Amino acid sequence: KAGVTQTPRYLIKTRGQQVTLSCSPISGHRSVSWYQQTPGQGLQFLFEYFSETQRNKGNFPGRFSGRQFSNSRSEMNVSTLELGDSALYLCASSIDGTAYEQYFGPGTRLTVT
Amino acid sequence: AQSVTQPDIHITVSEGASLELRCNYSYGATPYLFWYVQSPGQGLQLLLKYFSGDTLVQGIKGFEAEFKRSQSSFNLRKPSVHWSDAAEYFCAVVGSGTYKYIFGTGTRLKVLA
Repeated sequence: KAGVTQTPRYLIKTRGQQVTLSCSPISGHRSVSWYQQTPGQGLQFLFEYFSETQRNKGNFPGRFSGRQFSNSRSEMNVSTLELGDSALYLCASSIDGTAYEQYFGPGTRLTVT
Repeated sequence: AQSVTQPDIHITVSEGASLELRCNYSYGATPYLFWYVQSPGQGLQLLLKYFSGDTLVQGIKGFEAEFKRSQSSFNLRKPSVHWSDAAEYFCAVVGSGTYKYIFGTGTRLKVLA
């Protein structure tokens, strides 16, 4: 069974631009979560989607948004990029997002200049 | 508030020595507990999980963890460390019905030859 895939793997953007990251979960997994990982803040939860509905979100500004499609694939969008948005963005999928373990993708390394 | 604490930011051990990584959590009920490992530039890989039952759980790569409710701890252990175990280790907790995984800040393990 294929793992979680994330595209692109690396991205360089300029401050003020917007970016869209994509995540394809493991087949059969309906929950997708997104995390931001930085050296200073560690792993921070962004949001979780299940069956196209956002069930929970972390403490991030409204510039961070996401969505999930009917095939469980998910995208996250960051508008008006700031230098502090430079991070590794990790996507994780699980069967239902609570009682089951998450499986992580390799991440998208976003650099904002 | 729910939280996970990994008191040790860095740990250095010699190859062949035993290892214990500490994890303490704060949660009202018994949460689901996980240990993940992250190699540089990679996503997170699940080592083991605790949902209920036997408080000593076995994972991959020779790791085990023990859940101690009285101490709110879920420490990770390995009897003999290999050089390939050098990585960063994360403890995580999720409460039933919350859909939100909370991660500790991680412990970076260095293995001396």
